[in-house]
Amino acid sequence: QKEVEQNSGPLSVPEGAIASLNCTYSDRGSQSFFWYRQYSGKSPELIMSIYSNGDKEDGRFTAQLNKASQYVSLLIRDSQPSDSATYLCAVKVGGGNKLTFGTGTQLKVEL
Amino acid sequence: DTEVTQTPKHLVMGMTNKKSLKCEQHMGHRAMYWYKQKAKKPPELMFVYSYEKLSINESVPSRFSPECPNSSLLNLHLHALQPEDSALYLCASSQLETGSNEKLFFGSGTQLSVL
Repeated sequence: QKEVEQNSGPLSVPEGAIASLNCTYSDRGSQSFFWYRQYSGKSPELIMSIYSNGDKEDGRFTAQLNKASQYVSLLIRDSQPSDSATYLCAVKVGGGNKLTFGTGTQLKVEL
Repeated sequence: DTEVTQTPKHLVMGMTNKKSLKCEQHMGHRAMYWYKQKAKKPPELMFVYSYEKLSINESVPSRFSPECPNSSLLNLHLHALQPEDSALYLCASSQLETGSNEKLFFGSGTQLSVL
């Protein structure tokens, strides 16, 4: 079982719709969860972090964490073509420095 | 300012060459990282420096040699690389806060091609 799993996609949504990206992780000791956006040929850009169960909202983005189910998700409201990118889920176990990435989900927002 | 600067942006080298990748941050971060990313794959951790000391080496081959001259600079020295080492090399930094609320900020990367 991979440590951090994501559906590779592509996930296609129409412009203006809600995009839902999911991530599961295997280590119950995981404490910090991050979503990065990566455009083709560019470096990952941090868009959300979440540490406690529940929802965290930042503009059009909402991160959701359920530690009991070992599940973290990212919702993008009012999706725009500029949101088309690969979204990487990253998980940190405990207080260490190691961040483990999922394989990423490719999102395509269509006009 | 969340800027991590990497140079060069692109590098082509032969298998017998010696080259270095450079990374700089002025955010006062005390942890710096090297990641390697192949096309359509997630970033893979190579090295971590904490307070200028090597704290994690993910069993990286010795042809990759990291160096942290001071808290703002991180280098990756390359020697006798193989074509399969061609990838995007990413530098990142983080505050090194207590607890687990660390956020990594990435540089723009160096696209390396080994011929």
